Amino acid sequence: QKEVEQDPGPLSVPEGAIVSLNCTYSNSAFQYFMWYRQYSRKGPELLMYTYSSGNKEDGRFTAQVDKSSKYISLFIRDSQPSDSATYLCAMSISNDYKLSFGAGTTVTVRA
Amino acid sequence: GAVVSQHPSRVICKSGTSVKIECRSLDFQATTMFWYRQFPKQSLMLMATSNEGSKATYEQGVEKDKFLINHASLTLSTLTVTSAHPEDSSFYICSATQLESSYNEQFFGPGTRLTVL
Repeated sequence: QKEVEQDPGPLSVPEGAIVSLNCTYSNSAFQYFMWYRQYSRKGPELLMYTYSSGNKEDGRFTAQVDKSSKYISLFIRDSQPSDSATYLCAMSISNDYKLSFGAGTTVTVRA
Repeated sequence: GAVVSQHPSRVICKSGTSVKIECRSLDFQATTMFWYRQFPKQSLMLMATSNEGSKATYEQGVEKDKFLINHASLTLSTLTVTSAHPEDSSFYICSATQLESSYNEQFFGPGTRLTVL
C-alpha cells in the first residue's frame, strides 16, 4: 500500500464547475499537508499549505483536512481553462521533513 | 522571489555517458536542496536530500555511486547521472528551501528531461 493515494484521473469539467480533488494517506504521523499544481513539463508550485484539521480558503481554492479519516481535499470554485494542470497532494511529518507525494490528478477545464 | 532554475532543461545522451544537471536558487540562499525523479503519469519520487557542504542523504533504493550529488554552495547543487542507461530516462526535478523561513516550503525548479538512447 502506498503511503499517499491519489486518483490520477483524468478529470474533465466544464468552465465554471467546481473541481473536487482528494487524497488518502496511511501514515498517521503526517501533520503538514500541501497541494501543488504542476503544468506540463514544469516543476510543481505550491497552492495551499495546511497544518490542522478543518478548512482553509484562498480565493477560489479551499483545502480541507480530516486527520481522523486520513483524508484531504482540494476544491476549486469557478474553474477556468487556466486551471488545467496536474494537482499533487503532498504531506510531511514535520515542518522540515521530506515530502511524500500523491500520484497527481490531471484536470482539464473545458472552455 | 524564490525562483529555482535548472540547467539544462532537456538533454539527450548516449548510453554509457555521464550527464550533469544544475539546480540554482536565483534569489535566495537554500539550506537544503532535494532531488526528485518523475516518470510519466507518476508522482515525484525523492532521490536524495543535500545540505551545503555535507554529503547527500539518499533514499532507499537510490544508488549513490550512480547519482552523484554535490552541493557546493548555498545557491547551487548538481546531480550527475553516471554511466547513464535508457532506464535512467526520466524527468528530474530539484527543489530548495530558504535559509530563513517559518515554514520550509520547497520551491521547485522547472525540471530536466533526460533521454538516454
